[in-house]
Amino acid sequence: AQKITQTQPGMFVQEKEAVTLDCTYDTSDQSYGLFWYKQPSSGEMIFLIYQGSYDEQNATEGRYSLNFQKARKSANLVISASQLGDSAMYFCAMREAMDSSYKLIFGSGTRLLVRP
Amino acid sequence: GAGVSQSPSNKVTEKGKDVELRCDPISGHTALYWYRQSLGQGLEFLIYFQGNSAPDKSGLPSDRFSAERTGGSVSTLTIQRTQQEDSAVYLCASSLVVGPAYGYTFGSGTRLTVV
Repeated sequence: AQKITQTQPGMFVQEKEAVTLDCTYDTSDQSYGLFWYKQPSSGEMIFLIYQGSYDEQNATEGRYSLNFQKARKSANLVISASQLGDSAMYFCAMREAMDSSYKLIFGSGTRLLVRP
Repeated sequence: GAGVSQSPSNKVTEKGKDVELRCDPISGHTALYWYRQSLGQGLEFLIYFQGNSAPDKSGLPSDRFSAERTGGSVSTLTIQRTQQEDSAVYLCASSLVVGPAYGYTFGSGTRLTVV
């Protein structure tokens, strides 16, 4: 079974509007971390936001917020006031405490295109 | 160094040749990961090094792939007898602290093309 599922291969959003990128995860671990990374066309992986499994508040970082619904095992990324520079691939990832190597497991990504 | 450094940034090789990809992690980072990203795909875990512990090699796709980390710092990923399906971007990442709450810093990757 996929550990991280991103069901939107591609998304469009109008500049200055908000957009939600979906992510669902599968784990039996009680302690885990959820991450979102941005990958522009240049290829580097840029960390955006983190949510811990025990965090009761949704994480926020500037224009990025994470809509964490633990019972539904979803961790959607919300980007507010989209900018042209937000056009990129976005990856959801999870790290489980029971994994001794604490490796990040990535979803297949969502390509976001911001229209002017 | 200031960031994770990978070399070469691009490598074109003939099918059947061996290649070595290098990763220089952030100074002091004890954890080092290798990932592979095929065109338009997500990141696939390959191998993990942590200090002097035995590496987690569970993600290596075949015995043609191997990696080592010398002196707890620089790592080399070696692919023997390259195949066209090995064409991908190989990303290295390092982390100071290992745990579910900590992400890692990625290098810019090596784009490998097997012709």
